[in-house]
Amino acid sequence: DVKVTQSSRYLVKRTGEKVFLECVQDMDHENMFWYRQDPGLGLRLIYFSYDVKMKEKGDIPEGYSVSREKKERFSLILESASTNQTSMYLCASSTLQGFGTDTQYFGPGTRLTVL
Amino acid sequence: GDSVTQMEGPVTLSEEAFLTINCTYTATGYPSLFWYVQYPGEGLQLLLKATKADDKGSNKGFEATYRKETTSFHLEKGSVQVSDSAVYFCALTAYGQNFVFGPGTRLSVLP
Repeated sequence: DVKVTQSSRYLVKRTGEKVFLECVQDMDHENMFWYRQDPGLGLRLIYFSYDVKMKEKGDIPEGYSVSREKKERFSLILESASTNQTSMYLCASSTLQGFGTDTQYFGPGTRLTVL
Repeated sequence: GDSVTQMEGPVTLSEEAFLTINCTYTATGYPSLFWYVQYPGEGLQLLLKATKADDKGSNKGFEATYRKETTSFHLEKGSVQVSDSAVYFCALTAYGQNFVFGPGTRLSVLP
């Protein structure tokens, strides 16, 4: 079974703090994604990566950055957390073959609260 | 751009009732279609998928048929259980494109 793990299920941070969300997948997938999920808005893509050290902006990259130093690990960074970044963050991975048509596998999510 | 529309709910049903959650899409290419389910406090899990017109995806008693003529991928289950209570997301993707998710439909099944 594909396993995608995220470093924390719940996280509480203060405004202005630097926040790291970690995601690890164990299926040797090339593609990795970060989404945020908000009520009424569904899932919105923040960043994605299709290879080590590669990154692409998604639909809402402002206020976020990412890092992919190893194939299995994809980190989301909030440089200076703000209250409007309070959300559920979901990481996903998929294979490169048939990019865009292959199933995405999701982690359990990190619920981040910024006070 | 590509988009997915689905009934937002919430949908409340009694156990053993018939379930339909409508999903329609707009896409310029030939997308693959998916239903994902999110149980309380968890991430999304793939429920079923279909990759071409007239394909039927099925899993755990759920079914959906890829209808190109009506651009639809409605989710159905003949007899729901309390354990089916979750949020259901319709999604599409086409080659070289990222996933596009619908807003999700919350289903509550009462005993």
